[in-house]
Amino acid sequence: QKEVEQNSGPLSVPEGAIASLNCTYSDRGSQSFFWYRQYSGKSPELIMSIYSNGDKEDGRFTAQLNKASQYVSLLIRDSQPSDSATYLCAVRRDSSYKLIFGSGTRLLVRP
Amino acid sequence: SQTIHQWPATLVQPVGSPLSLECTVEGTSNPNLYWYRQAAGRGLQLLFYSVGIGQISSEVPQNLSASRPQDRQFILSSKKLLLSDSGFYLCAWGGQGSYNEQFFGPGTRLTVL
Repeated sequence: QKEVEQNSGPLSVPEGAIASLNCTYSDRGSQSFFWYRQYSGKSPELIMSIYSNGDKEDGRFTAQLNKASQYVSLLIRDSQPSDSATYLCAVRRDSSYKLIFGSGTRLLVRP
Repeated sequence: SQTIHQWPATLVQPVGSPLSLECTVEGTSNPNLYWYRQAAGRGLQLLFYSVGIGQISSEVPQNLSASRPQDRQFILSSKKLLLSDSGFYLCAWGGQGSYNEQFFGPGTRLTVL
């Protein structure tokens, strides 16, 4: 079992729809959770951080964390073609300087 | 605000040649520094990280090495490149706080021929 798992996709949604990206992790000691967006040929960009159970909203993005289910998700409302990218989920274990990355989910937003 | 620089942006090197990639961070002090590699179509592989000058932790045995000669400078090196060293090399910095968000530089795309 991978430490951080994501569906590789592609996830295809029409413009204006809600895109839902999911991530599961194996270590119950994980404390911090991150979503990065990576456009093709570019470096990852941090878009959301979440540390406690529940929802965290920032503009069109909502991160959801459920530590009991070891599940973190990213919702993108009113999806735009410019949201088309690979989304990486990353998890930090307690007392670690390191992040464990999933392999990413490719999102395609159709005009 | 913090800025992270990497150079060169693109590099084509023959097998067996040496490598030196440099990363510098501005606008912060005593950052944690990281080197990652991303092979084509693959996830991020942590290669090295450093929590201070001269302190290097290696994650994957390989022919690469890292050094941190100054607080905000991180260097990735190799004496002899292999074909399998090709990839997208990313430097990242993170704060010393408990949340440990990491921020990536623009990356160096290395092709070994």
